[in-house]
Amino acid sequence: DGGITQSPKYLFRKEGQNVTLSCEQNLNHDAMYWYRQDPGQGLRLIYYSQIVNDFQKGDIAEGYSVSREKKESFPLTVTSAQKNPTAFYLCASSIPTDVYGYTFGSGTRLTVV
Amino acid sequence: EDQVTQSPEALRLQEGESSSLNCSYTVSGLRGLFWYRQDPGKGPEFLFTLYSAGEEKEKERLKATLTKKESFLHITAPKPEDSATYLCAVQAEETSGSRLTFGEGTQLTVNP
Repeated sequence: DGGITQSPKYLFRKEGQNVTLSCEQNLNHDAMYWYRQDPGQGLRLIYYSQIVNDFQKGDIAEGYSVSREKKESFPLTVTSAQKNPTAFYLCASSIPTDVYGYTFGSGTRLTVV
Repeated sequence: EDQVTQSPEALRLQEGESSSLNCSYTVSGLRGLFWYRQDPGKGPEFLFTLYSAGEEKEKERLKATLTKKESFLHITAPKPEDSATYLCAVQAEETSGSRLTFGEGTQLTVNP
């Protein structure tokens, strides 16, 4: 079955450490997105990519980095520059030319320890 | 700037008690309005897309409607399994790519 796989489901980060969240899709979707979800604040866009080897900053990109070397993969790195990384991170994909809606992964919960 | 406001923040219903969730939006030309359902600790699940004022879509006990300023998600005779957070999102005509702007969600609890 086609879908989006995020891993790990839970991740713990120490102060000053970079961590990478994985997102893989087999839907053949061109566009992929990373959102952050905090209680009471809805989903906020971190980065998005419409095609391989190209990506754009979203509304809260500071302290994060991404790459899009393959159509299927869009990993997110949370760097030590992100001062408040504890949140629920969601990856999504879509067909950019068709307003169908996103397909979301199951999320990664990141906690700073 | 595109804005989406959902109300109420939380809603408690008894099983069988129908109600509506509201999504008010401000966007420079609407390309589409989306409704998603999200269970705790999981990713949102797509429910509906609405494109123009007057449009309605139904799925089981849910019906979504759209006007030029807001959308309603009507829940008829809800069951406990309808308990979830319901998210509304808009896509503007001028948006880059397919990015969506989300509201903060309505947390629905249906008691048996």
